[in-house]
Amino acid sequence: KQEVTQIPAALSVPEGENLVLNCSFTDSAIYNLQWFRQDPGKGLTSLLLIQSSQREQTSGRLNASLDKSSGRSTLYIAASQPGDSATYLCAVRPGNNDMRFGAGTRLTVKP
Amino acid sequence: GAGVSQSPRYKVAKRGQDVALRCDPISGHVSLFWYQQALGQGPEFLTYFQNEAQLDKSGLPSDRFFAERPEGSVSTLKIQRTQQEDSAVYLCASSLFSGGGGELFFGEGSRLTVL
Repeated sequence: KQEVTQIPAALSVPEGENLVLNCSFTDSAIYNLQWFRQDPGKGLTSLLLIQSSQREQTSGRLNASLDKSSGRSTLYIAASQPGDSATYLCAVRPGNNDMRFGAGTRLTVKP
Repeated sequence: GAGVSQSPRYKVAKRGQDVALRCDPISGHVSLFWYQQALGQGPEFLTYFQNEAQLDKSGLPSDRFFAERPEGSVSTLKIQRTQQEDSAVYLCASSLFSGGGGELFFGEGSRLTVL
């Protein structure tokens, strides 16, 4: 069974710092990997989708990488802002019907 | 609509009551998923529809949980005889494609509290 782990569980950084969130998964047979943002009491907002054949995706200050063979992905956030404070979830798609999530990293960016 | 819409946003039920949660996916999206999210945890898969066909219901925790999507659009998740452990946020997601490569778009969720 695919297991997804996110480290650290929580992170607090001062505004302006660059940071990296980590995601690991146990089975490299995946269709894609998706990073989401979740604000308190809200649903999930898709940030980046990386297909299994891709190595990375970029959107604005966000860059996500995928190393399928080692079962790892990182989400890099440049020049962090207080508005980036949220929980970041990593999810892998092992098959057509399912998406497996990590427990998330709770990020706080202090002004 | 522009996004995935879920209702009600909040539901309080007495133990033993039946509840129904509705999901309106993005128009034209073939795939629809239901997830359960406990406080401080990532979402856990419940069930998957491809159009009106329920192809996977392996994540439903018990036979008190039932989901349908009769016309391949709106879906309803029904929980019978609710129990306190059913308290969670229920998230619906849709995807344009039926294959594994599509991006998932989530609704705001329905927060269920069972007293």
